[in-house]
Amino acid sequence: EVQLVESGGGLVKPGGSLRLSCAASGFTFSSYSMNWVRQAPGKGLEWVSSIRSNSGHIYYADSVKGRFTISRDDAKNSLYLQMNSLRAEDTAVYYCARDQFGEGATVNWFDSWGQGTLVTVSS
Amino acid sequence: DIQMTQSPSSVSASVGDTVTITCRASQGISHWLAWYQQKPGKAPKFLIHAASSLQSGVLSRFSGSGSGTDFTLTIHSLQPEDFATYYCQQAYGFPLTFGGGTKVDLK
Repeated sequence: EVQLVESGGGLVKPGGSLRLSCAASGFTFSSYSMNWVRQAPGKGLEWVSSIRSNSGHIYYADSVKGRFTISRDDAKNSLYLQMNSLRAEDTAVYYCARDQFGEGATVNWFDSWGQGTLVTVSS
Repeated sequence: DIQMTQSPSSVSASVGDTVTITCRASQGISHWLAWYQQKPGKAPKFLIHAASSLQSGVLSRFSGSGSGTDFTLTIHSLQPEDFATYYCQQAYGFPLTFGGGTKVDLK
């Protein structure tokens, strides 16, 4: 069974930093593109970042480019999101999500999601 | 960026009704569209990919159609567990974008 478990959320002041982690199990993590999607309180879904298998290609939403860094450690079956220069508008539940197909057949839609971790940016 | 516009933003329906949700892309995206269902406090659930392919395990009362710029999600014979918010998402190119969501609630 595919499992994605996010951690690292919490309360941080504007301008601060936070590192989110996503622990994956139940599939060959290294073969899949992985993603972060967020949802502000009471709002819709917003794609944040994607990283291909082997970290070959990385993509960011304009809203986080230059402030957030996605990475992965295939040996640890883990996905990360380093968030710097945080703003109030970054307040959201952050979900880790898996691309539907592995082995390089990336389709950019997400068949498995974690339960999310809440990031609150407030003074 | 490709904008995804869903309509309606909310719909009230009764158990047994058929509900249709529309998603329009600001440019052609072929069949590169997915649909998700989200219940309050829960992660989204993957329903449909490639505009019309039902994800394994999803009941056949859900169906998707469309290509290019106009897409629909239809829920036949609405059941109590179907009351939720539904999102479309284009997978044609980066940045990946979602529709604003359609909340299906009980009339």
